[in-house]
Amino acid sequence: SQQGEEDPQALSIQEGENATMNCSYKTSINNLQWYRQNSGRGLVHLILIRSNEREKHSGRLRVTLDTSKKSSSLLITASRAADTASYFCATDVIPVSARQLTFGSGTQLTVLP
Amino acid sequence: NAGVTQTPKFRVLKTGQSMTLLCAQDMNHEYMYWYRQDPGMGLRLIHYSVGEGTTAKGEVPDGYNVSRLKKQNFLLGLESAAPSQTSVYFCASTETGGYTGELFFGEGSRLTVL
Repeated sequence: SQQGEEDPQALSIQEGENATMNCSYKTSINNLQWYRQNSGRGLVHLILIRSNEREKHSGRLRVTLDTSKKSSSLLITASRAADTASYFCATDVIPVSARQLTFGSGTQLTVLP
Repeated sequence: NAGVTQTPKFRVLKTGQSMTLLCAQDMNHEYMYWYRQDPGMGLRLIHYSVGEGTTAKGEVPDGYNVSRLKKQNFLLGLESAAPSQTSVYFCASTETGGYTGELFFGEGSRLTVL
């Protein structure tokens, strides 16, 4: 079963606008990660946020984590056509001995030029 | 700097045929994983390995076998392919540490079972 679920499933915006994607999960986590997947390619790690962190930035990416609501959001500011991709959240499971990540079903982002 | 390499990239099988997908990583990672990706379902873990000579079942292991004879290689086998195994398969690896870190993914192997 999916641990994380992204919302919305698809998002279409104009270049220059901000894009916000949300992820909800079911059980306690150690950390949450976001990945990007361009069409026909493998997943690429974007950012990791630990359970004791509330917000993290990396370039044009801003990730928030609310463990009380079991949710996270990924904000991409000033979007570009090159940001067009699928975005997945992934959570580890506690205990972390197996170091497994469980992925959500993803948000398909389309940035129109 | 190859990272994670998967072979083959594409394969078409007939029902009942067998095949092996090879994953090789050059980052000296202990942990390796095989996922499958189906439309609208994200990635689901098939099998994983926490070190050379070890394997364990993930969420959807039925119909697959794996081996990790060498640290850098993780093989995924289908003994008798079924149409339900048509999917894109991704291998990933990660280094050891006190917490689950970043996964490094291969480019995927697209398998079609007729």
